[in-house]
Amino acid sequence: AQSVTQLGSHVSVSEGALVLLRCNYSSSVPPYLFWYVQYPNQGLQLLLKYTTGATLVKGINGFEAEFKKSETSFHLTKPSAHMSDAAEYFCAVSRNTGFQKLVFGTGTRLLVSP
Amino acid sequence: GAGVSQSPSNKVTEKGKDVELRCDPISGHTALYWYRQSLGQGLEFLIYFQGNSAPDKSGLPSDRFSAERTGGSVSTLTIQRTQQEDSAVYLCASSLELEGEQFFGPGTRLTVL
Repeated sequence: AQSVTQLGSHVSVSEGALVLLRCNYSSSVPPYLFWYVQYPNQGLQLLLKYTTGATLVKGINGFEAEFKKSETSFHLTKPSAHMSDAAEYFCAVSRNTGFQKLVFGTGTRLLVSP
Repeated sequence: GAGVSQSPSNKVTEKGKDVELRCDPISGHTALYWYRQSLGQGLEFLIYFQGNSAPDKSGLPSDRFSAERTGGSVSTLTIQRTQQEDSAVYLCASSLELEGEQFFGPGTRLTVL
């Protein structure tokens, strides 16, 4: 079975500050890991994903995440927050073979203040 | 179309009525997925299609829920005898192949009164 834990339902940062959204996963098989962003009244957009290879993954909009197997973590970071980053962020895990049934965390709402 | 589309965008219905939610995947995408996003349960997988077949229906909450896909394209999620706990946003996604990146539609917000 697979599961995802996102620590913090809300994270508040100032514009220009570091963004750190935490994700820990549990998986009995090597996982694929994803971060999605959801803007109000919109669907989910893929920010980045880890499948195999390099553990530091770069995504869109300046976000990156590092897969740390020893810590079962896949935290999302961005060096400098922008007002447009305000949204809800979901971490997800799937198996590394076959169909990609995504198991999502509960989401973290990022608030960015001027 | 350019992306996954879903209709209607909003649906308000009375308890006990049946509803149909539609998903138009990206042209050429062979895999199609339904998820539900609700306050109590978060984002949860419902069902997926490979072509017109649904190998995994494990996420459907009850036998009131069913889905079909025709012509390897459009999919319909049907909820019979709706209950208030069915209120949620129903998201559809499609991918080019079974292990490919999933592209999500904007969702259908279902409200059961």
